[in-house]
Amino acid sequence: VQLVESGGGVVQPGGSLRLSCAASGFTFSTSGMHWVRQAPGKGLQWVAFVRSDGSNKYYVDSVKGRFTISRDNSKNTVFLQMNSLSVEDTAVYYCAQDLWNWGQGTLVTVSS
Amino acid sequence: QSVLTQPPSASGTPGQRVTISCSGSSSNIGSNNVYWYLQLPGTAPKLLIYRNNQRPSGVPDRFSGSKSGTSASLAISGLRSEDEADYYCAAWDDSLSGWVFGGGTKLTVL
Repeated sequence: VQLVESGGGVVQPGGSLRLSCAASGFTFSTSGMHWVRQAPGKGLQWVAFVRSDGSNKYYVDSVKGRFTISRDNSKNTVFLQMNSLSVEDTAVYYCAQDLWNWGQGTLVTVSS
Repeated sequence: QSVLTQPPSASGTPGQRVTISCSGSSSNIGSNNVYWYLQLPGTAPKLLIYRNNQRPSGVPDRFSGSKSGTSASLAISGLRSEDEADYYCAAWDDSLSGWVFGGGTKLTVL
């Protein structure tokens, strides 16, 4: 199983970023996919989840209306579109398959 | 504050048995499965326990999980220096319609 996140970087407050997570080594189309983040020196915070067929999506309250999780089963990829970013969104963002297997994470820094 | 409550720290000497607690409520631990993760510095979390007390293949049987009511515990027996890490519990929360994590417990092997 391999999960490779990309798309992180430095963005100004109010800006947007789109994270991607390319999956391989398992049947992506039957797996639920999560995004979990970890602010510097802090604990894990679940961010979003999308069911295997994309039919249901769930978000932590603090990102509702700003973040959108989506997936492309034809490309074995899950995305996290992040809008209206604030400094509180600064974190390493991990994608995870059913919270079993995790990627190495991508760092998002929101700073002016 | 995290929805699931863990002690911020725990410690033990090599060979000892240590336990880490995770306290929740009826909407999370009380009605759903608990998962436990280990995170070494600078690395991604690794699944240790799923469905309260099941170990993925490759996880030593020194690690065990249990659940009672609205609380769960992770036990590590035969403590080793390489067990020094951060440990997190997690569960689905019916009221929040989302997953919740504990704040994490930093385990020190003395």
